[in-house]
Amino acid sequence: DTAVSQTPKYLVTQMGNDKSIKCEQNLGHDTMYWYKQDSKKFLKIMFSYNNKELIINETVPNRFSPKSPDKAHLNLHINSLELGDSAVYFCASSQGLGTVSPLHFGNGTRLTVT
Amino acid sequence: GDSVTQMEGPVTLSEEAFLTINCTYTATGYPSLFWYVQYPGEGLQLLLKATKADDKGSNKGFEATYRKETTSFHLEKGSVQVSDSAVYFCALTPTGGGNKLTFGTGTQLKVEL
Repeated sequence: DTAVSQTPKYLVTQMGNDKSIKCEQNLGHDTMYWYKQDSKKFLKIMFSYNNKELIINETVPNRFSPKSPDKAHLNLHINSLELGDSAVYFCASSQGLGTVSPLHFGNGTRLTVT
Repeated sequence: GDSVTQMEGPVTLSEEAFLTINCTYTATGYPSLFWYVQYPGEGLQLLLKATKADDKGSNKGFEATYRKETTSFHLEKGSVQVSDSAVYFCALTPTGGGNKLTFGTGTQLKVEL
């Protein structure tokens, strides 16, 4: 009964391809996130959705498009993949906004672009 | 903007040694402060948190005290174990919540027998 699950765990693809990463949480949380972790372990927020509404959209190329069909799912689609997109992408969820609630992370998707 | 600065790793210790990982922050108002831990091949897990000045967060033998005067939230453990080997991230959310976590760069801890 994994709380935040991401698929796939590993994704190897060539430059120029389009790929998607899926995320689901069964914690009943209202807010979901995508974080990118680079090769030096630095974590940076990309997007956040609250009840299917986009609330955080950091400076991310518009090749990255999140989609939240319902509050338990937040998928990430990436068009025209580039070498610099290689990283580990983490999905996370938390209780609603305005409260200090911890983030629950998935185990990550390691994307390698060749 | 908000930022978090952590000591660079890796930090290598012998089992049962004392651990300190320094963390300082820059933020307006009264952010909430967190330590997250990432074990190899896994996502981050909340280790402890503190939401106001002088609060002490603690969990699994780890402690950190929210020091407003020095804008610090140093992580300590009296006696580390091999199983504590992981990457530790200090993080903050701004005053009023919002849950936009700003992370430090992470500090890798290696504990040897």
